[in-house]
Parts: sequence; structure tokens; C-alpha cells
Amino acid sequence: EAGVAQSPRYKIIEKRQSVAFWCNPISGHATLYWYQQILGQGPKLLIQFQNNGVVDDSQLPKDRFSAERLKGVDSTLKIQPAKLEDSAVYLCASSDTAEFLTDTQYFGPGTRLTVL
Amino acid sequence: GQSLEQPSEVTAVEGAIVQINCTYQTSGFYGLSWYQQHDGGAPTFLSYNGLDGLEETGRFSSFLSRSDSYGYLLLQELQMKDSASYFCAVRDRGTDKLIFGTGTRLQVFP
Repeated sequence: EAGVAQSPRYKIIEKRQSVAFWCNPISGHATLYWYQQILGQGPKLLIQFQNNGVVDDSQLPKDRFSAERLKGVDSTLKIQPAKLEDSAVYLCASSDTAEFLTDTQYFGPGTRLTVL
Repeated sequence: GQSLEQPSEVTAVEGAIVQINCTYQTSGFYGLSWYQQHDGGAPTFLSYNGLDGLEETGRFSSFLSRSDSYGYLLLQELQMKDSASYFCAVRDRGTDKLIFGTGTRLQVFP
């Protein structure tokens, strides 16, 4: 079974530029998550999708971050414009209905973003 | 809200046993889970405790006591490959969000 795919793996941009990340979850997984992980900290949930609907985006800085999950499969996360404090690893994860109940999420390799 | 505290770093030698604690303040959650993350890698699921008590999975065991607001991950017969960061996490009953702890960096020495 293929895992969660993310691209790009690394991205370096200057502040005020835009960037987009892509995620393809495990086939059949209804729930998709985007996390931000700052160095030395645990992952922080940005947005959670159930199929193509948003379940929670309370911690998404909506003035600069946006995310979509068209057709309930893959997803993109965009930052526009980027700030220095957005430097972090952006992790995508997915889970199926049964594993959601035991907090089992499968994470992708992440995109390491550096904002200069 | 939820907050989960862990020791920042733990060191041990190969073959030893180490316990990583997780204390939490929460208004309500479903269970306590543990994730492992190697440097530069993705978090991977290790265990889940829905009920109080001990759950064993090979060399790893996890424990939860809701009355003490406390849990731990026990790693036995430590191997060099166990050197990683370990995160406890709870799913909030109100929001269904998985909230991660501060993380513990485990270093295993030969």
C-alpha cells in the first residue's frame, strides 16, 4: 500500500512570496490533515478535511493560508504572502474511518519550508 | 483547552529500559496515543490507550491513568534505532482535533 505522498520535499522562498504544497493521501482515506511543525515542537493541526469538506480550520491563519481538497482526494495548502515565522515543516496526514477512532494517522514525509 | 507536557530529553544505553512520561491538562479526550519521529522523518503511530491500564506492543508498552492525568511510554531492550523524538497526543472530545505534546528526544548510546 502506498503511503501519503507530498511535494515538494524542500522549498526556500523569500518573505512575501507565495508557495503551495501538494498532498496525496492513502487511497480510501476519508480524513486528511495538514499540520505545521516548527523545529523542536510537536505538530500543530492547521486544517482537517472529511472527504472534501472542512471539519476544522480554527488554527489556520486565514489571512495568508488557504487549503482545498477537491474531489475528496488530494489536497493543496497555499501560503500567500509568506512570513519569516512560517518557516517550518508542513506535514500531511490521512486516516480512515476505523483508525480515526484510535487516533491512528499516517503521515507523509513533509515539506520543509524556509522563508528568508 | 488541552496541554500535554513531556520531558524534553532522555538518554539511555542500548539494552536498557526507559520511560517517557506525559502529563496533561485537559477538559476531555478520547484516548492517549504515542508517535515516534526520527530526525527529518514523518511521525509514525506507535500505540493507543483508550482505557486506563497498560497496552503492550512488542518492546513498547504504553500506560494511561485518567485519574492521575498521566501516561507513559515504556521502551524495553533499547536499540540504537530507537533514538528519535516521541510525542504523546490526545484527541479533544469537543473538537475531535489531535493535539500533540511537547515531545521527548530519546538518545540511545552504545
